[in-house]
Amino acid sequence: DTEVTQTPKHLVMGMTNKKSLKCEQHMGHRAMYWYKQKAKKPPELMFVYSYEKLSINESVPSRFSPECPNSSLLNLHLHALQPEDSALYLCASSWTSGRDNEQFFGPGTRLTVL
Amino acid sequence: GESVGLHLPTLSVQEGDNSIINCAYSNSASDYFIWYKQESGKGPQFIIDIRSNMDKRQGQRVTVLLNKTVKHLSLQIAATQPGDSAVYFCAENQPYSGGSNYKLTFGKGTLLTVNP
Repeated sequence: DTEVTQTPKHLVMGMTNKKSLKCEQHMGHRAMYWYKQKAKKPPELMFVYSYEKLSINESVPSRFSPECPNSSLLNLHLHALQPEDSALYLCASSWTSGRDNEQFFGPGTRLTVL
Repeated sequence: GESVGLHLPTLSVQEGDNSIINCAYSNSASDYFIWYKQESGKGPQFIIDIRSNMDKRQGQRVTVLLNKTVKHLSLQIAATQPGDSAVYFCAENQPYSGGSNYKLTFGKGTLLTVNP
């Protein structure tokens, strides 16, 4: 299995809702990532997990809360989001978070905040 | 901070022609680069990578060239096909805050359109 899967594909939520994005990989990778991508822009790193521990937080607002329950799963919990948080949220994984590591991306979750 | 960028935001070519997408980087310490292809509605797909100890690397119909002297990276696609139409990003894997973790920083992207 060489895929990174993400659910749901699309999500519409209100500013008072609580929702979660899910990501899964079965390649044995020990690093997992969340990126945010706005329309016609490059992906921007949000969080990095290495061996199930948070290693990088790119000063992301606390309304985004990542969680890595095990080496195959990565969640992003959403609460009290703003309309400007609407974007494509991409998950990626790699063998480690060190140098020379190819990152495999999932298809993304298209999030719309009303 | 230093960043990776692209010379051209859009590129339109005829089917069968060769395509060249360029990327400039400014961090001389960068030593690993990746090209990704992103089709509409999909996540980035790895195309090819290159380390700084190499000048050229070839894959299937794609070649990446690295010129460290002028900090320039290019992606060449031979015999471009309609299925190659997508946004192409160069990305730089660079150390994060001096630790053992690395961070992938993407360039702005080039939209490649292949005309039949």
